[in-house]
Amino acid sequence: ETGVTQTPRHLVMGMTNKKSLKCEQHLGHNAMYWYKQSAKKPLELMFVYNFKEQTENNSVPSRFSPECPNSSHLFLHLHTLQPEDSALYLCASSQERTLNTEAFFGQGTRLTVV
Amino acid sequence: GESVGLHLPTLSVQEGDNSIINCAYSNSASDYFIWYKQESGKGPQFIIDIRSNMDKRQGQRVTVLLNKTVKHLSLQIAATQPGDSAVYFCAERGNNRLAFGKGNQVVVIP
Repeated sequence: ETGVTQTPRHLVMGMTNKKSLKCEQHLGHNAMYWYKQSAKKPLELMFVYNFKEQTENNSVPSRFSPECPNSSHLFLHLHTLQPEDSALYLCASSQERTLNTEAFFGQGTRLTVV
Repeated sequence: GESVGLHLPTLSVQEGDNSIINCAYSNSASDYFIWYKQESGKGPQFIIDIRSNMDKRQGQRVTVLLNKTVKHLSLQIAATQPGDSAVYFCAERGNNRLAFGKGNQVVVIP
């Protein structure tokens, strides 16, 4: 266990559905991240939150909407996704965005869009 | 642009032998490097890190070597065990961004 918990572990959703992914960490970290992991591709950074403020959005389509109510929780709201959005979505946290410290990853949510 | 890549997509290694996984990076501004291990169905797990003011760092059964001259990073696993079978990622932090390589599959043959 890394201290970063993601739910659900698996999710199957239709293209018209609305769902949310949840990430929680109690490591005292101030930076949280959403990554997308597709087959045979490097990890793709989607969003970065530092002290609850979004500091980075890597040109992610608006059908992905992040929310960070506090430093311990991060959500990814999903709406009208496409089949190509099927992937493993990983949440991570680190002490602070600018420090050279490791990021701790959750187990990920395996998302399948049908 | 910045890129981090791994030389070999798959490495098969006999149990008990040593493994070496290589990684090239292109951002000369990167000053912090991490190796992650990802087992099937799990998220990436931190293995070892190294800062750019070092050229070698050792952990338990693992050693990371950094050659800044040629922008090369390697992970050495001693006495490889079946539990070492996984995908290994290198990552570099430069310009406040953490960039990951594609990953290198290590398969341990019993």
